[in-house]
Amino acid sequence: QSVLTQPPSASGTPGQRVTISCSGSSSNIGSNNVNWYQQFPGTTPKLLIHSNNQRPSGVPDRFSASRSGTSASLAISGLQSEDEADYYCSSWDASLPGWVFGGGTKLAVL
Amino acid sequence: EMQLVQSGAEVKKPGESLRISCKVSGYSFTSYWITWVRQMPGKGLEWVGRIGPSDSDTVYSPSFQGHVTFLVDKSITTAYLQWTSLKASDTAIYYCVRGDHSSGGRNWFDPWGQGTLVTVSS
Repeated sequence: QSVLTQPPSASGTPGQRVTISCSGSSSNIGSNNVNWYQQFPGTTPKLLIHSNNQRPSGVPDRFSASRSGTSASLAISGLQSEDEADYYCSSWDASLPGWVFGGGTKLAVL
Repeated sequence: EMQLVQSGAEVKKPGESLRISCKVSGYSFTSYWITWVRQMPGKGLEWVGRIGPSDSDTVYSPSFQGHVTFLVDKSITTAYLQWTSLKASDTAIYYCVRGDHSSGGRNWFDPWGQGTLVTVSS
């Protein structure tokens, strides 16, 4: 059972906007930044969003994220078939102490 | 170009020892923690722990404490993850990744190594 809670799956049709939630607690998301990673099947995870809402260079602006209280969310607008992947949130947890991940959300583009 | 290049896939028997490597290039090796992440077959990402290459300071996840060891060799900018007695449940892909900056800023994982598949089976 992951410390951060994500829905196991999400879906949308091309062009739609989808959001993926990430729920934590005061010891992780409530007091530390959230990062998001994207992983295509059979490939290495890639940094998608860091510091709650910052996109590394090369990440399309269709991807955005936010953090509020003990939760965070990733939004993908103008959904494309190539966005089909697993998405993971992550944050530092002061109570461990250590990094924690969400269980991952598999995004399907229908 | 920043790169973390990991050693190749391994097949081991329960009880055997193993050390996998992560060769770093393209950035200051001693300025960033090296983090290890496990991904069991069909499962999500798990933080194994991290090592500071400048002083070999280590932090282990409670789930892995006592079962794995992190090492670095600064002379060849390489980090290692090792086991002295493997279990079948260690079967997974292990990623090394550039982690937090030693100064405390830049708290995210990027770039990632390509992963090393470790298979433990009798």
